[in-house]
Order: sequence, then C-alpha cells, then structure tokens
Amino acid sequence: DAGVIQSPRHEVTEMGQEVTLRCKPISGHNSLFWYRQTMMRGLELLIYFNNNVPIDDSGMPEDRFSAKMPNASFSTLKIQPSEPRDSAVYFCASSLEWTDSNQPQHFGDGTRLSIL
Amino acid sequence: GQQVMQIPQYQHVQEGEDFTTYCNSSTTLSNIQWYKQRPGGHPVFLIQLVKSGEVKKQKRLTFQFGEAKKNSSLHITATQTTDVGTYFCAQAGAGSYQLTFGKGTKLSVIP
Repeated sequence: DAGVIQSPRHEVTEMGQEVTLRCKPISGHNSLFWYRQTMMRGLELLIYFNNNVPIDDSGMPEDRFSAKMPNASFSTLKIQPSEPRDSAVYFCASSLEWTDSNQPQHFGDGTRLSIL
Repeated sequence: GQQVMQIPQYQHVQEGEDFTTYCNSSTTLSNIQWYKQRPGGHPVFLIQLVKSGEVKKQKRLTFQFGEAKKNSSLHITATQTTDVGTYFCAQAGAGSYQLTFGKGTKLSVIP
C-alpha cells in the first residue's frame, strides 16, 4: 500500500517567495495533520483536518501560513511570504478517524525546506 | 496545554547494552503512543498504551504505562546498530485528535 506522499522532498528558495507543500494521505484515512520539525522546537503540530475540515489551526505560526484540504486525497500547506526562520522539515501525517481511542499516525517522508 | 517531558535527551550506548527512555506528564494521560525516527527519516508508529500499568513487548523493546497513567517508558534490551534513531512519546488529550510529542531521546549505538 502507498503511504503518505509528500512533495517536493526538498525545497530551497529565497525569502519572500511563496512556498507550497503538498500531501496525499493514505486512502481511507479521515484525519490529516501537518507538522513542522526543528532542532529547537522538536515536532510541532501546525494544523489538522478531519473529513477535509480544519479542526484546529492554533499551531499555525502566523498569517503567512495557510493550509487547505480541497478533497480527501490532497492537502497543501502554503507559506507566503517565506522567511529564513521557516526553514524546517515539514511532515504530513494521516490516520483513520479517531473515535474513542486514538489511531496511529502515518507520516510522509517530509519536505526539507530551506529559505535563504 | 498538556506537555510530556522526555528524558534523557541523548543517550550513547555500546552495542549490546540496554537503553531506557522515560516520558513523564504532570497530568493523567488517556493513552500514550511511541514513535521512532531514524536519522533523516520520518516518525514511525511503534505502539500505543491505553491501560494503567500496561506492559507490551515487541521483540527486544518493552513498553510500560505507569499505574497512575502519568508516565511511560521504553526499554531496549541488548541494543543493536539498527536501533539508532530518536524515540518519541506522544500523548493525546481526552477526546482530542491532537497528539503532543515529547522532545524525543536520541539514541546512538557504538559498534
């Protein structure tokens, strides 16, 4: 089975540019999560969706970040304008819908973003 | 929000030695998950603990959930070089989709 697919794997761009990260969750998974990982802060949840609806975006750093999930098989995380402090590894993860117990999250390979 | 403290931050062991990482919370956890991230890789789910005092084993890995459901541990017996990576605990709030990850313990195994 295909896992969570993220693109691009690497992105290097200059500050001020728009960056779009893409994610295809595992088919049949209802929940999708965007994380950012840095040495300083570790793994931080940015936003999560359930059935394509954003449930909690309180982890989104600021208005420069936005995320969408137009359908069950695709999500984007956009940064506009990008800044050097946005450099990090961005992971997308998906899981089955949580009911009375939590479900394992399946992570993509991540996008390594460098803003110069 | 709830936070889990994970210790130690780093651990260097000789191959064949045992390794333990601990996860502590100031509040009662509904459940806890453990993940492993290899260098340059992504977190991979290992296990979930739900019941007070629960102990689960996966080959050389032993996972425990404290009686008060405020702490958890992962113990690796006779480490191998394939065990290298960062081990994270992650906890979810009751009725919440959200997982909060600890800072992780980075394990190095010296051959």
